[in-house]
Amino acid sequence: DVKVTQSSRYLVKRTGEKVFLECVQDMDHENMFWYRQDPGLGLRLIYFSYDVKMKEKGDIPEGYSVSREKKERFSLILESASTNQTSMYLCASRVPSRYEQYFGPGTRLTVT
Amino acid sequence: SQQGEEDPQALSIQEGENATMNCSYKTSINNLQWYRQNSGRGLVHLILIRSNEREKHSGRLRVTLDTSKKSSSLLITASRAADTASYFCATHSQGGSEKLVFGKGTKLTVNP
Repeated sequence: DVKVTQSSRYLVKRTGEKVFLECVQDMDHENMFWYRQDPGLGLRLIYFSYDVKMKEKGDIPEGYSVSREKKERFSLILESASTNQTSMYLCASRVPSRYEQYFGPGTRLTVT
Repeated sequence: SQQGEEDPQALSIQEGENATMNCSYKTSINNLQWYRQNSGRGLVHLILIRSNEREKHSGRLRVTLDTSKKSSSLLITASRAADTASYFCATHSQGGSEKLVFGKGTKLTVNP
C-alpha cells in the first residue's frame, strides 16, 4: 500500500513565523502535490512537483514556496505565516501513468 | 478554479438505504474520480471513470458519467454507518494537465 505521511497532524504558529510542512511518500512516485482545504471552498492546489527539483504553481501559490530535493519528500514553506493561512493542508502523490492521487492524513495549521 | 460541483451539499439517510451524489463540471475531461474523506483525515481514492466510459462498478459503488451533460453520479448501495464521510468528485482535464480539480463535496451521514 502507498503510504504518504505528513510531519504533524496539528500545528500552532504565530504570525510572521516561518513554517515548514513536510510530506514523505514511500512508493517512488514522481508527482507530488500540496493542497489546502477550507470550509466552503473545497481543496485548492497550492503547488505541485513533477519530479525532483521541479515545481509548478497551482491555483493559490501566493505566500507559499516549496522544495523537492529528494524524490520521496516534498516540503511546503510559509515564509511569513499569516492568520489567513490557517487551514488544513493536504499532501498527495501519484505516478504519472496513473491518475489517482494518494493523500496524507493532513496537517491542521493554526496561525495566531 | 473549482470545476466539479457536488449536489447535494449534505445528505442524511438510514443504514441500508442507497445514497446518490451528483457532480457537474464545466470543461472537457480526460477522467473523473471520486474520493472519500473521513472527518479530519486525508482523502481516499474510490473510483475513476474515463471519458469514454458510461458506467463503472466497484463493490457497493456505482459511478455513471454523462459527458454530454457534463455530469456524474456516485451511488452507494446498502449504506452502512461506516460510509459516513464527505465525498468529492475531481476532474482531470484533457490536454495533459497534471492537475485534479476538486468539487466542494457532499457530506453523507448514515444513521444506524
